[in-house]
Amino acid sequence: NAGVTQTPKFQVLKTGQSMTLQCAQDMNHEYMSWYRQDPGMGLRLIHYSVGAGITDQGEVPNGYNVSRSTTEDFPLRLLSAAPSQTSVYFCASSYSRTRGANYGYTFGSGTRLTVV
Amino acid sequence: SQQGEEDPQALSIQEGENATMNCSYKTSINNLQWYRQNSGRGLVHLILIRSNEREKHSGRLRVTLDTSKKSSSLLITASRAADTASYFCATFSGNNNDMRFGAGTRLTVKP
Repeated sequence: NAGVTQTPKFQVLKTGQSMTLQCAQDMNHEYMSWYRQDPGMGLRLIHYSVGAGITDQGEVPNGYNVSRSTTEDFPLRLLSAAPSQTSVYFCASSYSRTRGANYGYTFGSGTRLTVV
Repeated sequence: SQQGEEDPQALSIQEGENATMNCSYKTSINNLQWYRQNSGRGLVHLILIRSNEREKHSGRLRVTLDTSKKSSSLLITASRAADTASYFCATFSGNNNDMRFGAGTRLTVKP
């Protein structure tokens, strides 16, 4: 019963490099989302998906791409990393967006990304 | 932008004491949730209170909601060292299907 699995746990990138943060869940959740957490700020929504093949932008989508080819996986891509993207990234899921909003989300343990 | 704002930003108490954290928000909500985050881990859902509820209990947790003041409080009774964590409030507004998290309260419980 893995829940939401994020990889890697830590990553250091140079400015301009690209990488993909992985998120996988084994709970058959339709809704998946990516947040970033910065010191002194609440979690901010980057992108979300309400099901395979459907994605949408959140509050801070610039510099990030997502796709959802399967129910289980929701990778987050940084095409050209910038120091402003240094943050802790969390993936969260629920059976549906509404259900998550009414019963809570399941979060992964996070990826700490540093861009130098 | 944040919706909920927690107060205080940090709280340090002795084991056995009660811990109270507050959350204020700006717009109308459908519900308010509290999450806990242990250091280096993801958020864990603790409790949810709906806009038509005033108080809710779950074990040692007590949550209150005052929609007229747009505020909520989380009380942890008889705190334990294992309660040391950051606590976040999150508000959900059905108008725009929007869930917003506050910046959190860092609770330290000293043994």
